[in-house]
Parts: sequence; C-alpha cells; structure tokens
Amino acid sequence: GENVEQHPSTLSVQEGDSAVIKCTYSDSASNYFPWYKQELGKRPQLIIDIRSNVGEKKDQRIAVTLNKTAKHFSLHITETQPEDSAVYFCAATGYSTLTFGKGTMLLVSP
Amino acid sequence: NAGVTQTPKFQVLKTGQSMTLQCAQDMNHNSMYWYRQDPGMGLRLIYYSASEGTTDKGEVPNGYNVSRLNKREFSLRLESAAPSQTSVYFCASSQGTGGNQPQHFGDGTRLSIL
Repeated sequence: GENVEQHPSTLSVQEGDSAVIKCTYSDSASNYFPWYKQELGKRPQLIIDIRSNVGEKKDQRIAVTLNKTAKHFSLHITETQPEDSAVYFCAATGYSTLTFGKGTMLLVSP
Repeated sequence: NAGVTQTPKFQVLKTGQSMTLQCAQDMNHNSMYWYRQDPGMGLRLIYYSASEGTTDKGEVPNGYNVSRLNKREFSLRLESAAPSQTSVYFCASSQGTGGNQPQHFGDGTRLSIL
C-alpha cells in the first residue's frame, strides 16, 4: 500500500519568515495530493491540493509543488503569521483512499 | 448546511463496554470514512464506504465494525472497548468513490476508555 513520509515533525519560524514542509510517497500511481491544516482541538481542514498533471499550485501565501519523478511534494507558506500555527498533514491517494503523513507542528512566533 | 456531523463529542467508557459513534453528512457525498488520530501518528483509516451498501477495511480495522445505514449515515461500533482504543475519532466524506477527491471532516469524537 501507499506510504507517506512527512518532514519535519516540528518547525519553528519567526513571523514573516517562510516555512516549507516536505512529503514523499511510495506509490507511483498516486495522482492526488491534498494538504490539511488542523488547529488545536479542531477538525482537519483542506487548505490546498494538487493533482499529478500539475507541477505547482498557488493560493495567496500558500503554494504546493509536486515532483512526480522523485515522488515528493512540498507545502510552502510565505510571510508566515501567528495564525498559521497549527499541525499540517500531507496526504496521497492510495488504492482508493488517502494515506496521511504523520503531521508537522508549525509554530510561528511573533 | 452542517457538513459532517458527529455524535457524541466526548465519551468515557469502561473496558469491555460497547458503543456506537454516529456520523451523518448532508452534502450528498458518495464516500464516507472513519479515522482515528493518536499523538504523533497522524490520521489512520479504520474503515471506509466508497458507496452506499459497501464497506471496506482500512489500515487499523481490528476491534471495530461499521454500518453504512444509508447515503447520509455511517456509524462506527466498538463491541468491547479496550484502553488502546482511546483516541480522537474523525468521520469524513467525499464526493467521489476513489481517493482523489477532497475529504470533509467532522469535529471529532474524543473517546477515553478506562
């Protein structure tokens, strides 16, 4: 089955800095890669996703890149703000379900 | 439009007790999922239902059963609760029957088993 590795497990940045979270996947047939943000005590919420026919996608301060050859994808957050502090999960399509990474706790200090 | 609704929000059980977690979605989605979330482990799939009338095992199905009651509702049952099942349980739904559609999550059920 699909295996998704996510790094780093924790990431601390200063407000205004950029943050990058990286994920690798094992199944070359995977074609959908969402990112979820989970604030403390809340539900995971989709923030951006990318499909395998696209190399990069942006939404304001958030961007995701995909390298199918290397089987890795990354989340980029620019101009970080304290409200970006949360746990971020990457995921990749398995046989018929999503497989999630173990999460990255992002802490943005004012 | 409530999205995905889970009940209850919190529950404490004793070892050996049984319980059913309820989930309903009002988005006319085909697929529904049950996950458990433990510290440092991410979201692990317990069971899923790709369409009404079908259910399949996920990564960690042991100790659980599910029922897709109709298109809206998907329940998770613990027949004989064990302390290892202490976790936060999330239900999710998606439009498609494969894994390549966004999943929408409920608020979760925080379950403690003593």
